[in-house]
Parts: sequence; C-alpha cells; structure tokens
Amino acid sequence: EVQLVQSGVEVKKPGESLKISCKGSGYSFSSSWIGWVRQMPGKGLEWMGVIYPADSDTRYSPSFEGQVTISADKSIRTAYLQWNSLKASDTAMYFCVRQGFGGNPVDYWGQGTLVTVSS
Amino acid sequence: EIVLTQSPGTLSLSPGERATLSCRASQSVSSNFLAWYQQKPGQAPRLLIYGASSRATGIPDRFSGSGSGTDFTLTISRLEPEDFAVYYCQQYGTSPTFGGGTKVEIK
Repeated sequence: EVQLVQSGVEVKKPGESLKISCKGSGYSFSSSWIGWVRQMPGKGLEWMGVIYPADSDTRYSPSFEGQVTISADKSIRTAYLQWNSLKASDTAMYFCVRQGFGGNPVDYWGQGTLVTVSS
Repeated sequence: EIVLTQSPGTLSLSPGERATLSCRASQSVSSNFLAWYQQKPGQAPRLLIYGASSRATGIPDRFSGSGSGTDFTLTISRLEPEDFAVYYCQQYGTSPTFGGGTKVEIK
C-alpha cells in the first residue's frame, strides 16, 4: 500500500526556520516525483514544486522559487520542505503528493502538515 | 504559466440533480494533462479524473470528465450526499497549476 506520512503540526514565530518531512512507503520512492502543495486557511490548492529523489532534480513554481527549498534523502525515503525565515503569510496546510507533474496526475496525498506562524 | 479558471465559484444543488463544473485554461493544456480532484473538509484531496476524461480507480461512474485544449468539464450525473465538496482542476504538465476550486453545496 502506497503511503505518504508527513511530520506533525508546527507552531513557529516569524523569522524562525523550519523543515517539514514526508516519508514514502509501499512503492519505489526514488523513481516517482514528490511534490508539495500549499493550502492557506479557507483557500484553494497551490502547486509549490517537485523533486525527483533519484537525482534530486527539483523544479519550483515561479511563485515559490527562492521562498522555500525542496530536498530529498532517498536512503530514508523522505522528502523535505524548508524555510529559512518564516513569515505570518506562510501559515497554511502543506501537503506532499506523489506525481502531479510531467504528465502524471497526483495519485497519492500525504495527510498534511499544519504550519502556524505567529508572534 | 497556465492559469486555470474554474466556474462557478459555488454551485447550490439538491441531491439527485446534475452538476456541471467548468475549468478554462489560459492556453492549451498539452496532451490533455488535466485532472479533477475532490476535497472534503479536513481531508486531503483525492483524484477523480485524469487525462481529462479517465476515471481514477474506484471512482463511481456518475463522475465524468470531458473537454480538450482550453475548455474542460466535470459532470456529476446525479448528486449523492457524499458528493457535496470542493472540486479542483489541475494541469499536470511541466509547470503544474491548480484552478481556484468550485464548491458544490446543498441547496
């Protein structure tokens, strides 16, 4: 069974750094793109970017380029989404997804990680 | 970047009625790489339709997708109580984007 299990709820202050994770199981982790999707409170879905764990090829949506860093460690089947300096506007639910890029729809979603940034 | 515009923003219908949701792209979607997802409150979305018209595994046949190029439609032939939710389209080419969503609510 394919599963994407994300790290837990985060509450941070503006200016702090954060790295959230997504662990894949039940499939060949290295050979499937892993993407990240943002959903701000009460709003729609936004595609942030994607990584291919086998070679760490990473593509960012223009809106998120330079704002976040996507990485992966294929040895532990885990992808990451990282911020160096959080803002209140980063408050959102973040989903990791399998595929959703390059001709393949999103077929599996993580359960989401809620990030709250508040002073 | 391809912008996807979904309409209407909200659709108020009764169980048993037919729902027609639209997704319009700012430029042609390559190879009909267009998907529809359903999201219920507090849950992650789930894939309904891919390739504009192919149903995902386990999706009831009351859900159907159509369209090509820049105009796509999701149709729910007869709404069941569990179908009231928010629906998103996504183009999943080399620079993916989502539409803004259509909420299907009980009238």
